[in-house]
Amino acid sequence: DAGVIQSPRHEVTEMGQEVTLRCKPISGHDYLFWYRQTMMRGLELLIYFNNNVPIDDSGMPEDRFSAKMPNASFSTLKIQPSEPRDSAVYFCASSQSPSGELFFGEGSRLTVL
Amino acid sequence: ILNVEQSPQSLHVQEGDSTNFTCSFPSSNFYALHWYRWETAKSPEALFVMTLNGDEKKKGRISATLNTKEGYSYLYIKGSQPEDSATYLCASLNQAGTALIFGKGTTLSVSS
Repeated sequence: DAGVIQSPRHEVTEMGQEVTLRCKPISGHDYLFWYRQTMMRGLELLIYFNNNVPIDDSGMPEDRFSAKMPNASFSTLKIQPSEPRDSAVYFCASSQSPSGELFFGEGSRLTVL
Repeated sequence: ILNVEQSPQSLHVQEGDSTNFTCSFPSSNFYALHWYRWETAKSPEALFVMTLNGDEKKKGRISATLNTKEGYSYLYIKGSQPEDSATYLCASLNQAGTALIFGKGTTLSVSS
């Protein structure tokens, strides 16, 4: 299996622009998680899905953030409009069960100027 | 809000030293405790998934213990090697038992 695939690996954009991050989970994994890594907060859980349905989005910082999972093999995290404080590494991870091992993608490093 | 705390924040040891880190988590509504190893420029990879009080797991020179009643887990590295240099993350399932909440990690640096 190719593992969890994220794109883009790096994104540099200007404040106010829309950013879309993409994730393809491991086939057969029913759970998909979006995390954000910053120096101050470490790995923060933003939102997670079970069988394509968003279960808990209480970690999403504000209304500028949205996430979708239109099918079992694809999810997006969108920031509109982006702000400099959104600069971070965004990780997608998937698992077969909520308590099972998480498999992480390589992350998308976002820089908002 | 579930808080997972790790200590120390960072650690520097010499090759051959043995070391250990601590992870503390709320003992109520415990489901599972995970340890991950995160090397620079890579993504986190699972080391251990532990669910039972008193559990001990081992992988090579790395081992972990779990005390769910008092809410802590220890990670031990015996005879540290430079390739052990990484950030070690622990995570506990949230109150609903549906998602992992991570600590901020312990960054280990091993000098040869």
